[in-house]
Amino acid sequence: DIQMTQSPSSLSASVGDRVTITCRASQSISSYLNWYQQKPGKAPKLLINAVSTLQSGVPSRFSGSGSGTDFALTISSLQPEDFATYYCQQSYGTPRTFGQGTKVEVK
Amino acid sequence: QVQLQQWGAGLLKPSETLSLTCAVQGGSFNTYYWSWLRQSPGKGLEWIGENTHRGYTNYNPSLKSRVTISGDTSKNQFSLKLNSVTAADTAVYYCATGSYYFDYWGQGTLVTVSS
Repeated sequence: DIQMTQSPSSLSASVGDRVTITCRASQSISSYLNWYQQKPGKAPKLLINAVSTLQSGVPSRFSGSGSGTDFALTISSLQPEDFATYYCQQSYGTPRTFGQGTKVEVK
Repeated sequence: QVQLQQWGAGLLKPSETLSLTCAVQGGSFNTYYWSWLRQSPGKGLEWIGENTHRGYTNYNPSLKSRVTISGDTSKNQFSLKLNSVTAADTAVYYCATGSYYFDYWGQGTLVTVSS
């Protein structure tokens, strides 16, 4: 299985901060990398697929980058509704696998 | 707008069979891959497997011997069965559309396995 490792596991930030979450794959996954946002008690929500393609309705303050084994999700100016847990997921092979999550908390 | 509504038993005893169903509303049911995933504090988000209206299935090897994902195109529904459950199968189970990525999700069902 392809292992996905996110860092940090959690971070504290303030509204307006620039936040970057990284995700590393245990092998090259080309551009088969997706990002989700999850709020407590809710299902994950797809934010970005194929490294950098924003889903319809996702604010442009979210962006993704990377290729191969190293990827990043950046929130350019953190908004109150962005406090949540974020997951990366590889779709290069099966089984599909997820990172362990990064919780973005209020500083 | 595609919506997924899922249901099924939430409390099982060890060795019983987990059975969940997901109804797809909106969109074109026959164009989707249907997937099941689960989430537990200990193992995080885990992909269980997928199916399509053509009957193609692909399961997580860690669960393959116990899992069946099937669809009923006449009802726009798909189902998950997981045999011989143990406490390790306690999790929130989600249905979702997609294969490479999961764009629509059900609301989740907490399944607890306890004697």
